[in-house]
Amino acid sequence: DQQVKQNSPSLSVQEGRISILNCDYTNSMFDYFLWYKKYPAEGPTFLISISSIKDKNEDGRFTVFLNKSAKHLSLHIVPSQPGDSAVYFCAASARDYGQNFVFGPGTRLSVLP
Amino acid sequence: GAVVSQHPSRVICKSGTSVKIECRSLDFQATTMFWYRQFPKQSLMLMATSNEGSKATYEQGVEKDKFLINHASLTLSTLTVTSAHPEDSSFYICSARAGGFDQPQHFGDGTRLSIL
Repeated sequence: DQQVKQNSPSLSVQEGRISILNCDYTNSMFDYFLWYKKYPAEGPTFLISISSIKDKNEDGRFTVFLNKSAKHLSLHIVPSQPGDSAVYFCAASARDYGQNFVFGPGTRLSVLP
Repeated sequence: GAVVSQHPSRVICKSGTSVKIECRSLDFQATTMFWYRQFPKQSLMLMATSNEGSKATYEQGVEKDKFLINHASLTLSTLTVTSAHPEDSSFYICSARAGGFDQPQHFGDGTRLSIL
């Protein structure tokens, strides 16, 4: 059973517009969420995180929104740039769940010039 | 900050060879290190979690005798793929974390292992 889902395997956005990447989770014990960005043949790079006590966290062009009641989070990138083209992974962890994050399957974002 | 170095980046070797991959946290002490495997167009699959000075915890279906993990210090963990076969060919990625569940993991750049 996939506990972290990213239902869109790919997304294309025009440069300068907003990119919205979505993530849903099933385990209500998750209380910490992260987004990672991954280029081919490289390890994932940490982008931004959010604790369950918040519903929004912003860092430059990146904003993560958390809706606990819907078990949904999203990553907004605005304005999108061609260099943002990568695979984005959503990940979740829980204090009582263990040491690891559970990763979603990823969404490939293509920002078109 | 939070740099994780993984070496080598690419290995090509014959079937039956054992391959060691190193993962180092360069500017922080990693209380926990993780080893992942990624198949083409799939997500990261956790293989094992290791804490410095103790035995690694392997995920279900991962053979501990096949994938030997040593976490000898707070800055170094190694994964040894023993007697590698073509089906072990994959992209292996390590990550390291200083602190608990609410701290991000920082990833190495991965190792592309190709077994002929």
